[in-house]
Amino acid sequence: AQSVTQPDIHITVSEGASLELRCNYSYGATPYLFWYVQSPGQGLQLLLKYFSGDTLVQGIKGFEAEFKRSQSSFNLRKPSVHWSDAAEYFCAVGAVGSQGNLIFGKGTKLSVKP
Amino acid sequence: ETGVTQTPRHLVMGMTNKKSLKCEQHLGHNAMYWYKQSAKKPLELMFVYSLEERVENNSVPSRFSPECPNSSHLFLHLHTLQPEDSALYLCASSQAVGGGPGETQYFGPGTRLLVL
Repeated sequence: AQSVTQPDIHITVSEGASLELRCNYSYGATPYLFWYVQSPGQGLQLLLKYFSGDTLVQGIKGFEAEFKRSQSSFNLRKPSVHWSDAAEYFCAVGAVGSQGNLIFGKGTKLSVKP
Repeated sequence: ETGVTQTPRHLVMGMTNKKSLKCEQHLGHNAMYWYKQSAKKPLELMFVYSLEERVENNSVPSRFSPECPNSSHLFLHLHTLQPEDSALYLCASSQAVGGGPGETQYFGPGTRLLVL
């Protein structure tokens, strides 16, 4: 069955520290992958996406993610976290022919300590 | 207005009421989506419209009725809802449906619905 796993429900990091949020997927077809961020009471904002090509993708707000096919992973990273990065982060996977049916993970809530 | 807008942002309704959620996209996209976001559960895709035709209906109860009069507007008509339908309802749009970068979805801010 198709699934997306975000193993960490809640992560707390200090401001200025590095961040890595994990995402693992199980998908029969060649996937395309997304990371979205959601601030409280808001919709989802696209951070970055991977369809093909370079497996290291750059996104907005200084985020990047690396697609590792052998590990079925698409982890999100940021070298130095800012207090404004506190939010919930969602990984999603889709594929050609999925008719827009993205599979979302349950999300990882990020808290930032001053 | 830019992006995807949704109205109202908050809605409280009784189980016997009828209400509608509205979504409008200003991105020139051809596909629109309704999602339900409940606490502790992953985002659930409810409906997908491409060029005003419904292409996906994920076993959603009939008390939810979508309408897509044109590629810029999407409605979700609600009637005789249950308390467990309380959630954040998100609308999204994409350039196309069918795979590839054009299927990147852009989300609105959502409507927070409370059913009493």
